[in-house]
Amino acid sequence: GAVVSQHPSRVICKSGTSVKIECRSLDFQATTMFWYRQFPKQSLMLMATSNEGSKATYEQGVEKDKFLINHASLTLSTLTVTSAHPEDSSFYICSARQIDSYEQYFGPGTRLTVT
Amino acid sequence: EDQVTQSPEALRLQEGESSSLNCSYTVSGLRGLFWYRQDPGKGPEFLFTLYSAGEEKEKERLKATLTKKESFLHITAPKPEDSATYLCATTTGRNYQLIWGAGTKLIIKP
Repeated sequence: GAVVSQHPSRVICKSGTSVKIECRSLDFQATTMFWYRQFPKQSLMLMATSNEGSKATYEQGVEKDKFLINHASLTLSTLTVTSAHPEDSSFYICSARQIDSYEQYFGPGTRLTVT
Repeated sequence: EDQVTQSPEALRLQEGESSSLNCSYTVSGLRGLFWYRQDPGKGPEFLFTLYSAGEEKEKERLKATLTKKESFLHITAPKPEDSATYLCATTTGRNYQLIWGAGTKLIIKP
């Protein structure tokens, strides 16, 4: 149980284009979903927290107009990187929390490369 | 300030050599202590949640314990496939966000 999927697992895009990453909780309802970014050999960095049906809360320094987050249902959240630039290249990971639990279950991650 | 510190940063063991990883925490109002395993290029894999001092949980060669100030992840007779980065995290419940340690990179040599 508690499986989270992400799609795509890898994506390469050209500078200036937008990319959408999907995060799905497959066997539970995710009251809250989180989006993280991780650079090589570094810790997870929380980008934003989203609750179903509400606007996402972004961490300090994360541009909300660049990283658009939608959590329209209890099983799906999306992260759209708009007007991507090479410095946006990174490993993006989502996690999900079910109601009445503090545990977070993570997706397998999405490797974004912007050329 | 809420904080989680893991030690050592890296640990190299021979196959079969048991050891422990440490996670020290200072948080106000602990709502859970979590252990994850992360392999390169993958998202963290949930291992354990501990809620109160004295609690222990086991899974295969791993055993997690919790005191009022720290948690240990004991690994018994490890195998090369146990090589990974082990992450510890806590939460105070605020926004359900996790407070992460920097992780311990475990390498098991055959």
